[in-house]
Amino acid sequence: DQQVKQNSPSLSVQEGRISILNCDYTNSMFDYFLWYKKYPAEGPTFLISISSIKDKNEDGRFTVFLNKSAKHLSLHIVPSQPGDSAVYFCAASANTGNQFYFGTGTSLTVIP
Amino acid sequence: DVKVTQSSRYLVKRTGEKVFLECVQDMDHENMFWYRQDPGLGLRLIYFSYDVKMKEKGDIPEGYSVSREKKERFSLILESASTNQTSMYLCASSLVVGELFFGEGSRLTVL
Repeated sequence: DQQVKQNSPSLSVQEGRISILNCDYTNSMFDYFLWYKKYPAEGPTFLISISSIKDKNEDGRFTVFLNKSAKHLSLHIVPSQPGDSAVYFCAASANTGNQFYFGTGTSLTVIP
Repeated sequence: DVKVTQSSRYLVKRTGEKVFLECVQDMDHENMFWYRQDPGLGLRLIYFSYDVKMKEKGDIPEGYSVSREKKERFSLILESASTNQTSMYLCASSLVVGELFFGEGSRLTVL
């Protein structure tokens, strides 16, 4: 059973606009969340993280929001650039271990 | 910079062959992981290791085994490859707590 879900397989956004990628989780024990970006034929690269003691974390154009009551997190990219076109995965981990559970990914296309 | 190196980017093997996928990390990380990535299924954990000679099953360990004889090296073994093991295999490492650092992946095709 998928504990981390990304319900949108794909998303298209115009260059310069905001991209919002969503992620839901079911396990209330999850307390550390990551976002990864993946280009074809490459390994995922770490983007940004957030722990459950925060509800927002920002790094340049990337902001992650966490809503613990809704078990929902989102990644905002603003402004979106064509180089942001990739598959984005969210991942979650519980304090009891370092095993991360990944979502199925959202393919973002930023249109020039 | 952390570097995680996977020995082969592309492999083609025949059903029943034994397959070794090697992974080396250079940052003295305690934890190492093997994932496979399949379309529509995301990344699924096969095995992980939090110390030399230690291993833990992930979500899909069937048909796989692992070896960690040295801290920097984590090997994934397919004892008898099958066509349903055709996939992208990703190795990762991390400190005790923290983000995963991935290698570039090994695309395995089993004919």
